[in-house]
Amino acid sequence: AQRVTQPEKLLSVFKGAPVELKCNYSYSGSPELFWYVQYSRQRLQLLLRHISRESIKGFTADLNKGETSFHLKKPFAQEEDSAMYYCALSSSGSARQLTFGSGTQLTVLP
Amino acid sequence: NAGVTQTPKFRVLKTGQSMTLLCAQDMNHEYMYWYRQDPGMGLRLIHYSVGEGTTAKGEVPDGYNVSRLKKQNFLLGLESAAPSQTSVYFCASTLEGYGANVLTFGAGSRLTVL
Repeated sequence: AQRVTQPEKLLSVFKGAPVELKCNYSYSGSPELFWYVQYSRQRLQLLLRHISRESIKGFTADLNKGETSFHLKKPFAQEEDSAMYYCALSSSGSARQLTFGSGTQLTVLP
Repeated sequence: NAGVTQTPKFRVLKTGQSMTLLCAQDMNHEYMYWYRQDPGMGLRLIHYSVGEGTTAKGEVPDGYNVSRLKKQNFLLGLESAAPSQTSVYFCASTLEGYGANVLTFGAGSRLTVL
């Protein structure tokens, strides 16, 4: 069975400080991983996906198959980054289910 | 282009009552999902559908039923509501093929069962 673990429920950093949101997964196949974000009073939306290897809003995430991790990083946090972040893993095959982690609430302090 | 629309946005039920949440998408997506969001537990998949007329159980299906009679609509039903079903419910949809697995979410439906 696939599983996504986000060990931090709450994370606070000061503006301008680096931030790392941790995500570990377990999956027997070839994983496809995502970060979704939910800003206050907004819908849950895709932030980035590992196959795109892109940087969105200054965030990056690298898939580390050896450590089964997909940590989200940003070198200089901004107050507008405050949100709930979910790591998600996609199953292979026709079902295309996404399994979400429990989420990390990031607060960027002024 | 409305995307994914959920109705109602809020509802309060008494234990034992029944209700249906409606999810409608106008993007011609094949796949549709119902999740529930609970504090400390993230989003958990209740049921999903890979196309019109098909449904399947997710991680937490007990106490819920679903139907996908039309491609654009995915209904979530609670036959006899329980306080444990107090939650925020999210519908999502995605394409088949390229872009699959990138979900478009609705705004959520907050359900309280007294």
